[in-house]
Amino acid sequence: DTGVSQDPRHKITKRGQNVTFRCDPISEHNRLYWYRQTLGQGPEFLTYFQNEAQLEKSRLLSDRFSAERPKGSFSTLEIQRTEQGDSAMYLCAPGDSRTDTQYFGPGTRLTVL
Amino acid sequence: AQKVTQAQTEISVVEKEDVTLDCVYETRDTTYYLFWYKQPPSGELVFLIRRNSFDEQNEISGRYSWNFQKSTSSFNFTITASQVVDSAVYFCALSEALNTGGFKTIFGAGTRLFVKA
Repeated sequence: DTGVSQDPRHKITKRGQNVTFRCDPISEHNRLYWYRQTLGQGPEFLTYFQNEAQLEKSRLLSDRFSAERPKGSFSTLEIQRTEQGDSAMYLCAPGDSRTDTQYFGPGTRLTVL
Repeated sequence: AQKVTQAQTEISVVEKEDVTLDCVYETRDTTYYLFWYKQPPSGELVFLIRRNSFDEQNEISGRYSWNFQKSTSSFNFTITASQVVDSAVYFCALSEALNTGGFKTIFGAGTRLFVKA
């Protein structure tokens, strides 16, 4: 048990639709990270939060992507006008600021048709 | 730029064989962390180990052992007496400090390990 839940676990959508994913850490962590993993690759950093503040965004995060962490606990990642290239596993990871260890959730697998 | 290279794309062994997964990294940071994660067929990324750049002691945990050599920028992972349940993709990773205070994790492409009965 990683102490992180993600919802939904799987999402199939048609191109052009909007989707939203949610990440719920069980315990409190100041930092929360989002990554994307495409088939056959390692995860790639997308963005991270320190409490409610979104402090860093990767160049992978186009303007169709938006992330929030309104109360410094759970986080959402929204993709607008989805494209087939958005098909991937989206992983969230609460970060232990003391050790820099990130414990990954089970992920949301997005398939854009 | 920070980079992690796992040159072995796939490795296949027979149960009870020992296997070593190679990892080489590049970093400009003087302080950093190295990690190994396991991703079984179920898809979850399972944290295995974190190593501080100042600590070059090798570590053993059951059948797993890690060899960190700063001089060659390598952090290799050995599984002794492999078992079928060890079949998974293994990722080596490196922390990269962000200007805003956090750290992002840079992953290698992974090594897929098949352990045959």
